[in-house]
Amino acid sequence: KAGVTQTPRYLIKTRGQQVTLSCSPISGHRSVSWYQQTPGQGLQFLFEYFSETQRNKGNFPGRFSGRQFSNSRSEMNVSTLELGDSALYLCASSILRENGDTQYFGPGTRLTVL
Amino acid sequence: AQKVTQAQTEISVVEKEDVTLDCVYETRDTTYYLFWYKQPPSGELVFLIRRNSFDEQNEISGRYSWNFQKSTSSFNFTITASQVVDSAVYFCALSEAKAQKLVFGQGTRLTINP
Repeated sequence: KAGVTQTPRYLIKTRGQQVTLSCSPISGHRSVSWYQQTPGQGLQFLFEYFSETQRNKGNFPGRFSGRQFSNSRSEMNVSTLELGDSALYLCASSILRENGDTQYFGPGTRLTVL
Repeated sequence: AQKVTQAQTEISVVEKEDVTLDCVYETRDTTYYLFWYKQPPSGELVFLIRRNSFDEQNEISGRYSWNFQKSTSSFNFTITASQVVDSAVYFCALSEAKAQKLVFGQGTRLTINP
C-alpha cells in the first residue's frame, strides 16, 4: 500500500506570495491532518479534515487554510507569506475508527520564504 | 491543557549501549493515547507505537521497549543494544479522545556513534 504523498517536496517563495501544498492520504484513510515543524516551535497542529469538513483547528492565523476533497486528498494554503512561515509542513492520514487513531505521516513539504 | 515534555534534548551514546528516552505528559482526560515517532534526517515521521490510557502493559518489539506508568504520567522508550541506524530525532506525542490531534514533545536527538 502506498504511503502518504506530499507535493511538492520543496518550495521557495517570497514574502507576500501565497502557496498551496497538496497531500494524498493512504488509500482508505479518511482523516487528514496538517502539522508545521520549525526549529523554534517544534511540531504544531494546524488542522484536521474528515469527510471534506474541518473538524479541528490549531492556533494559527487565518492566513492558513485548507480543504479536503471527496477522494480524501487535501490541500493547505498559506496566503501573504511571512518569513516565519518557513517550515517543514507535514501531512498525516488515519483511518479514523476513533479519535486518537494512529496518524501516518508523509515526507513533508519544505517551504522557504525569502 | 495537554502537554508533553521530553527533557533530554540530545543524547549521544556508543553503539551497543542501551539508551532510554524519557517522556512525561499532562492531560485532564481519562481516555487518551500516547505515541512515539522517529524522524530520520529525511524528515518523515515514522510511527513506532501507540498506547491507550487503559493499557499499562509494557511493550517490547525487537530491540525496542516501552514503559508506560500512569502513576508518574510517563511513557519512556528504551533501545537495547543501540545501532548507528537508530540515530534520529524521536518524538513522544499525546492525543485525547475528543479530537484527532497530536500534541508533540520537543523531541530528543539521539546519536549512536560507531
